[in-house]
Amino acid sequence: GQSLEQPSEVTAVEGAIVQINCTYQTSGFYGLSWYQQHDGGAPTFLSYNALDGLEETGRFSSFLSRSDSYGYLLLQELQMKDSASYFCAVSGNSGYSTLTFGKGTMLLVSP
Amino acid sequence: NAGVTQTPKFRVLKTGQSMTLLCAQDMNHEYMYWYRQDPGMGLRLIHYSVGEGTTAKGEVPDGYNVSRLKKQNFLLGLESAAPSQTSVYFCASSSPRDNYNEQFFGPGTRLTVL
Repeated sequence: GQSLEQPSEVTAVEGAIVQINCTYQTSGFYGLSWYQQHDGGAPTFLSYNALDGLEETGRFSSFLSRSDSYGYLLLQELQMKDSASYFCAVSGNSGYSTLTFGKGTMLLVSP
Repeated sequence: NAGVTQTPKFRVLKTGQSMTLLCAQDMNHEYMYWYRQDPGMGLRLIHYSVGEGTTAKGEVPDGYNVSRLKKQNFLLGLESAAPSQTSVYFCASSSPRDNYNEQFFGPGTRLTVL
């Protein structure tokens, strides 16, 4: 079977740091991606990790531990515009070119 | 450069009716995908294509058919719509020449089946 687990909701205040975790159990694995989706909008790509370690892109960082089947997205210096849903996605679970998405984490940033 | 476009943006169908959703991309991407998104369910892959003339089933293919006659277009068909197909449908594309995990999504089609 396959499963990706992430918290359904996370709340934080502006300027804070928040970490969104993702654990996965899949039949195949090439890498872990993160996507952001604002309410009513389309998902947009944030980051991809194929190897263990931390990838940094501006205020956002993503981490992967293949041995623990675990990754996280770290958002720093939170802004109101970061309020959105965040999805982790695994590639390689059902075909080389496809992604299997988690159910998403809704991040609410308050003033 | 329009990216990924979807037609229509909204549609209401009656049970048993048929329709086709059109996805077009102008990025010369080889891979194209159709997803559905339901509240609390994330994105689920319906069908995908790795090249012109090829299609494959995803996680939830039942009740849908697809065609990729041209590289830039990917059509999703519902032959006999059911209320369970009420959802938001997203098309996406990516390229193996870049990072294929970076999928570019269209704005979505909100479909209601009565």
